[in-house]
Formats: sequence, structure tokens, C-alpha cells
Amino acid sequence: GEDVEQSLFLSVREGDSSVINCTYTDSSSTYLYWYKQEPGAGLQLLTYIFSNMDMKQDQRLTVLLNKKDKHLSLRIADTQTGDSAIYFCAVPSGAGSYQLTFGKGTKLSVIP
Amino acid sequence: GAVVSQHPSRVICKSGTSVKIECRSLDFQATTMFWYRQFPKQSLMLMATSNEGSKATYEQGVEKDKFLINHASLTLSTLTVASAHPEDSSFYICSAPGQGSVGYTFGSGTRLTVV
Repeated sequence: GEDVEQSLFLSVREGDSSVINCTYTDSSSTYLYWYKQEPGAGLQLLTYIFSNMDMKQDQRLTVLLNKKDKHLSLRIADTQTGDSAIYFCAVPSGAGSYQLTFGKGTKLSVIP
Repeated sequence: GAVVSQHPSRVICKSGTSVKIECRSLDFQATTMFWYRQFPKQSLMLMATSNEGSKATYEQGVEKDKFLINHASLTLSTLTVASAHPEDSSFYICSAPGQGSVGYTFGSGTRLTVV
């Protein structure tokens, strides 16, 4: 099955850029997702990228996709304290699958 | 956009009792609903997939008789934790494919504590 890996922790200073990395194993996915989870809350879809793209920018968020290396990254520019949360990389579990496989989540801590 | 309402958000129950968690799709029909369990500092583990009008599909290792799933209508799926024990304490989240949009909509989660 699909395997999604991401580092568990990231600490940055307010105003700096944050880069959260993710690797996956199944290359047949059409969309790849980033979700944000604040303490005690559900998951919020942050952004996504279609598999035929290599970059997507949405305000402070930039998603980079390297299909060859099966590597996905999320860059948050001008990181704010409100960005402190856990960020999950999620990939559909196989072609045409509705099921998502999640990474373990990267806890982003923003230092004022 | 698509919204999934999940209730209750928190529940504390005594060991041996049953707890029901509801997830409703508010402005769309969800023929499929996913139920996840999240342990502290860990990722989401898919427990089961509920399908409207048919039996749920459980992931390997998930006890069907303990985690009862019912998807009786196109807008409501329920998860009942039967005879709950302290090891069932966890954060449970439901999710449905977003209708007409990319991605999946998640409920706000239920924190279950069994004492």
C-alpha cells in the first residue's frame, strides 16, 4: 500500500519561511494534499496540487511536486504564530481511490 | 463549501458503556464516509469506510463488533463504540469526499475519554 513519510517537527522564527517535506511511494495519485490540524480540531484542507503540475502558489503557500523523486513540499512564507499547527501530507491510496493515506504529520512551532 | 458536522466534540464515559458519534454532511450528500482514529502525536489511522445503504468496510485489525458503523442515509453516518474501555480513548474524525470539489471534508473530531 501507499506509504507517506514526513518529518515530525519543525521550528521556525516568526517572519521566516517554513518548508515541510513529504515523500510518498505510489505514483498513480492524481491529487496530493496538505491538511492543517490545530490543537483539538479536525483537519482543514490547506491546499492541493494536481499531479501534472510541479508547482502551485496560493498567497503565502507554495507547493512543489517532484514526481520523479516522489517528493512533495509545502512552503509557508512569512510564517506567523497562527501557522503553528500540525501539517499532514495526504495521498490517495491508489489510482481512483477515495481513501487517503496520511503522513504522521509535521508539528510546526513558530517562535515569536 | 462542503461541511461535515460531527457531534459530540468531547465525551467522557464510564468503562463498559457505549458511545455514539454522528457525522452529518450539511449541504451535500455523502454516499461514502471515512472514519479515522488519531492517537496522540500520531497520524490518522483509517478504521473503516461506510457506504450508504450497505455494510461498512473495515480495515484490518479493526473490530467490527466494537466499532459499529451505520450509514442509514445520504447525510448521516454514525460510529458507535460499544462497551468502551480506556484503551478506546482517542480522537475520532470522520471525512467525506467533497462533492463537486477537490479534496475531502473533515468533521471537527470527537475526543473520547473512557474512565
